[in-house]
Amino acid sequence: NAGVTQTPKFRILKIGQSMTLQCTQDMNHNYMYWYRQDPGMGLKLIYYSVGAGITDKGEVPNGYNVSRSTTEDFPLRLELAAPSQTSVYFCASSSPAGHNQETQYFGPGTRLLVL
Amino acid sequence: RKEVEQDPGPFNVPEGATVAFNCTYSNSASQSFFWYRQDCRKEPKLLMSVYSSGNEDGRFTAQLNRASQYISLLIRDSKLSDSATYLCVVNPFSGNTPLVFGKGTRLSVIA
Repeated sequence: NAGVTQTPKFRILKIGQSMTLQCTQDMNHNYMYWYRQDPGMGLKLIYYSVGAGITDKGEVPNGYNVSRSTTEDFPLRLELAAPSQTSVYFCASSSPAGHNQETQYFGPGTRLLVL
Repeated sequence: RKEVEQDPGPFNVPEGATVAFNCTYSNSASQSFFWYRQDCRKEPKLLMSVYSSGNEDGRFTAQLNRASQYISLLIRDSKLSDSATYLCVVNPFSGNTPLVFGKGTRLSVIA
């Protein structure tokens, strides 16, 4: 199992550009999450999904969009990049079944710089 | 009161020392509790779950105090490799709502 994979690892965007951060998990997990982590700060939940076709806003959804057309994939879209979106973005997944139902498995992160 | 609060540190301790972190949570109905570890520039990873009876994994011991709404992590015989940020994590509700992550406590173990 590859676990949770994210692409790209690093990206520089100009203000106003758009991009999609990709996230894929091969653990057949129902739940997937997107977080951002600013330097020296904690994780902030952007969006999450409890299954294909279902998404919900987290703490800081403004400026982002998500979709969940399959169990495996949960892409995060930035439509109009702003310097405030400079951050490290982590995707995570978890399964509701079994005693490890709340263990979240994180991808390696995407470092985004908006200039 | 924030949902999950931790002392950000840093805690600078010598090798071999014992160090303890506390974390408080605001929702008395919280169901489950965890400690995650995050190395510099890496993703968070589950360190251990925290059970009501307390649990131990090698040099690491986690305790839960529901009455006072705090959890603790004790690290004995600290190693250089223990240097990391330790995240206190709480599931505030039953079922599968998103976990709430604390901002973390930074530990540096010094030779």
